[in-house]
Amino acid sequence: AQSVTQLDSQVPVFEEAPVELRCNYSSSVSVYLFWYVQYPNQGLQLLLKYLSGSTLVKGINGFEAEFNKSQTSFHLRKPSVHISDTAEYFCAVSDGDNAGNMLTFGGGTRLMVKP
Amino acid sequence: DAGITQSPRHKVTETGTPVTLRCHQTENHRYMYWYRQDPGHGLRLIHYSYGVKDTDKGEVSDGYSVSRSKTEDFLLTLESATSSQTSVYFCAISPQLAAEEFFGPGTRLTVL
Repeated sequence: AQSVTQLDSQVPVFEEAPVELRCNYSSSVSVYLFWYVQYPNQGLQLLLKYLSGSTLVKGINGFEAEFNKSQTSFHLRKPSVHISDTAEYFCAVSDGDNAGNMLTFGGGTRLMVKP
Repeated sequence: DAGITQSPRHKVTETGTPVTLRCHQTENHRYMYWYRQDPGHGLRLIHYSYGVKDTDKGEVSDGYSVSRSKTEDFLLTLESATSSQTSVYFCAISPQLAAEEFFGPGTRLTVL
């Protein structure tokens, strides 16, 4: 079974600064990778996903993530954050080798953007 | 937003009482899931369904049961609620294998 580690539970950052949220997963031959965002008192919505192809994936709201197979990582980045990016971010992985698309989620990283 | 609703949105109940949460979708997606969200644990899968009357257990299924009698509805039942089941419960749907999941707005359950 997959496991997902989000190394930082909270990331404070000033507005307009760059940010990287880290995600590592347990090794597998084939994985599908996702980043979700959760704004306060809301459900999760998809930021971006990697299924195959280019290892650099661009998502909504200016976010991007890079799949690094050798390091089993899928870190999320944004070059300049806004106050409105304050939210909790979840990395999720599904095992592409097995039938079924159940996702395994990391524990989440709370991004706090300060003015 | 994908057409997913959850009811109720908030519920307070007492230990030992039965509770049923409802997830309703209008997308005709095959797969439906129930998760619980707790601080530091992210989302953990309770049960999922891959079709009408086809369900299976997830990571944290003890104390929960589910039913899916129609494509659009997926019910989560706590037969006898305990304080450890205080959590936020999310329903999700997906159309196919390895597809992204679409989440409902969540139900905040408090068991006193």
